[in-house]
Amino acid sequence: DGGITQSPKYLFRKEGQNVTLSCEQNLNHDAMYWYRQDPGQGLRLIYYSQIVNDFQKGDIAEGYSVSREKKESFPLTVTSAQKNPTAFYLCASSKKRGTPIATTGELFFGEGSRLTVL
Amino acid sequence: AQKVTQAQTEISVVEKEDVTLDCVYETRDTTYYLFWYKQPPSGELVFLIRRNSFDEQNEISGRYSWNFQKSTSSFNFTITASQVVDSAVYFCALSEAKEAAGNKLTFGGGTRVLVKP
Repeated sequence: DGGITQSPKYLFRKEGQNVTLSCEQNLNHDAMYWYRQDPGQGLRLIYYSQIVNDFQKGDIAEGYSVSREKKESFPLTVTSAQKNPTAFYLCASSKKRGTPIATTGELFFGEGSRLTVL
Repeated sequence: AQKVTQAQTEISVVEKEDVTLDCVYETRDTTYYLFWYKQPPSGELVFLIRRNSFDEQNEISGRYSWNFQKSTSSFNFTITASQVVDSAVYFCALSEAKEAAGNKLTFGGGTRVLVKP
């Protein structure tokens, strides 16, 4: 079945450590996104990529880094510079704008990764 | 800057009651898209509806209905005859229409709906 796979589902990290969250999609989507979810704050965009080898900062990119070497993969690294990394991280993908309008804007989400800093 | 406000943080109803979720948005764009997503306990967000700004027709899909009023910048969502399976967090979201913006969404804070049997 096509979809988005995020791993690990749960992750614990000590302060000062970097950690990488995996996101893989087999939907043949061009665009991929990382969102952070905190209680009561909804989802906030960290980074997004509309094409391989290109990505842009979202609203809260500080302390995070990404790469987009393959169309299917968009890993997120939470670095030690991120002051408050404990959160639920959601990866999403979508077709590129300009494809059939019926699907414009619809994001497909993974099941998320919950990161806890000890 | 775009902003989406969902004033209700949590709503609790008894099964078969109707429940309406409010969504108010702010944007300087004249053309934009509005969305509702459902987040069940599994965590992934599920797309429910997309509405573009020049289509103010209300929509009904089964027990779900949406009321878009551009004059008040609102896009409210009603679940009729609620069921326990409707228990989830619901998010309203806004997207620019400019193609260069991609499909970035600005989300509201979400409304948790608890339907009791």
